[in-house]
Amino acid sequence: DTGVSQDPRHKITKRGQNVTFRCDPISEHNRLYWYRQTLGQGPEFLTYFQNEAQLEKSRLLSDRFSAERPKGSFSTLEIQRTEQGDSAMYLCASSLARRQISEAFFGQGTRLTVV
Amino acid sequence: DAKTTQPTSMDCAEGRAANLPCNHSTISGNEYVYWYRQIHSQGPQYIIHGLKNNETNEMASLIITEDRKSSTLILPHATLRDTAVYYCIVRGGLQGAQKLVFGQGTRLTINP
Repeated sequence: DTGVSQDPRHKITKRGQNVTFRCDPISEHNRLYWYRQTLGQGPEFLTYFQNEAQLEKSRLLSDRFSAERPKGSFSTLEIQRTEQGDSAMYLCASSLARRQISEAFFGQGTRLTVV
Repeated sequence: DAKTTQPTSMDCAEGRAANLPCNHSTISGNEYVYWYRQIHSQGPQYIIHGLKNNETNEMASLIITEDRKSSTLILPHATLRDTAVYYCIVRGGLQGAQKLVFGQGTRLTINP
């Protein structure tokens, strides 16, 4: 257990529905990252926050995707109007930005299946 | 961030040292080499990182060549639980270059 919690662990949804995932980072970590991983591929960066500010978004993050970290603690990732291509593992990671270089700790991920 | 090249897969016998190579010939002076691994159905796990000196921790050793164009991750006494995908990542030391960019990694299988 790395201390990064993700909920739910698994989600099955019908195409066109909206889904929301939650990530609780390690409590003192001020950076939070979202990644997506499809079968057989390495994780792909989606976005990251420093405290409550969203500092970078990948081009993979289409208009249907939105991420928030309202109080600089937990974060949510919402996917609107899900498509079958959104089926993937969604990973959250956190790190401490006090040091210039710091390792990121990952959660167990949320596996999304769109049927 | 510099690109890395790793073998697609490797095998190693249980109890032997597993040596995982990584090429990063375009690495720049302020970029670090990171290693993560991902055991099936889990999130990636941090292993070790280094800049130019060799590093060792309780999990592994990292050997970086003098020209920094390649490195080797060494698991000294591999166990079956070390079977995983191992990712070598080059990451900038600047404040703005914070994300980890994963490639395909090396699928390491430890055989009994």
